[in-house]
Amino acid sequence: QKEVEQNSGPLSVPEGAIASLNCTYSDRVSQSFFWYRQYSGKSPELIMSIYSNGDKEDGRFTAQLNKASQYVSLLIRDSQPSDSATYLCAVKGAGSYQLTFGKGTKLSVIP
Amino acid sequence: NAGVTQTPKFRILKIGQSMTLQCTQDMNHNYMYWYRQDPGMGLKLIYYSVGAGITDKGEVPNGYNVSRSTTEDFPLRLELAAPSQTSVYFCASTERELAGFSYEQYFGPGTRLTVT
Repeated sequence: QKEVEQNSGPLSVPEGAIASLNCTYSDRVSQSFFWYRQYSGKSPELIMSIYSNGDKEDGRFTAQLNKASQYVSLLIRDSQPSDSATYLCAVKGAGSYQLTFGKGTKLSVIP
Repeated sequence: NAGVTQTPKFRILKIGQSMTLQCTQDMNHNYMYWYRQDPGMGLKLIYYSVGAGITDKGEVPNGYNVSRSTTEDFPLRLELAAPSQTSVYFCASTERELAGFSYEQYFGPGTRLTVT
């Protein structure tokens, strides 16, 4: 059974701070990794994808991947109240048609 | 492009009733998926399809059926609704993999279903 683990939170950070969200996965041959943002009552929205070890930056978001440690993270710099949402980590295994999702981490950015 | 659309947005069913949740995408994506999301439980895959005429079970298929007669449409059928099927249902789609890595899924707005 492939598993994706996230801390459920809530994670509270002050406005302007860096929010750090973490995710671990059990399938060692996983090859694609995604972060989705989900506002309450809305559908998941893709915000970052990462496929190779290291960092990938997009605006205020940085995804970090360490395949040896089976660990992927999302950093949100200069956090804003509009970043308050649940963040879902998703992982795809090699040769699979499916994504496995974590349960999500709820982030609250306090003004 | 409208992306992925789902109907209805909300529905209340009585136990034992049946219904079809509609999903349509206009991005010419080959892969389509149905998920359910229960509070605090993340997304669970119900069924998926890799192209017209091809479907397969996901993690939680019991009580559901699907068909895929066109690239655009992927309806989900609930037969004999039960309270355990109360959930939010999301449809998603993605392009066929190109380099073997890209697999970004795009979600519809969801259907909130209550079975009483």
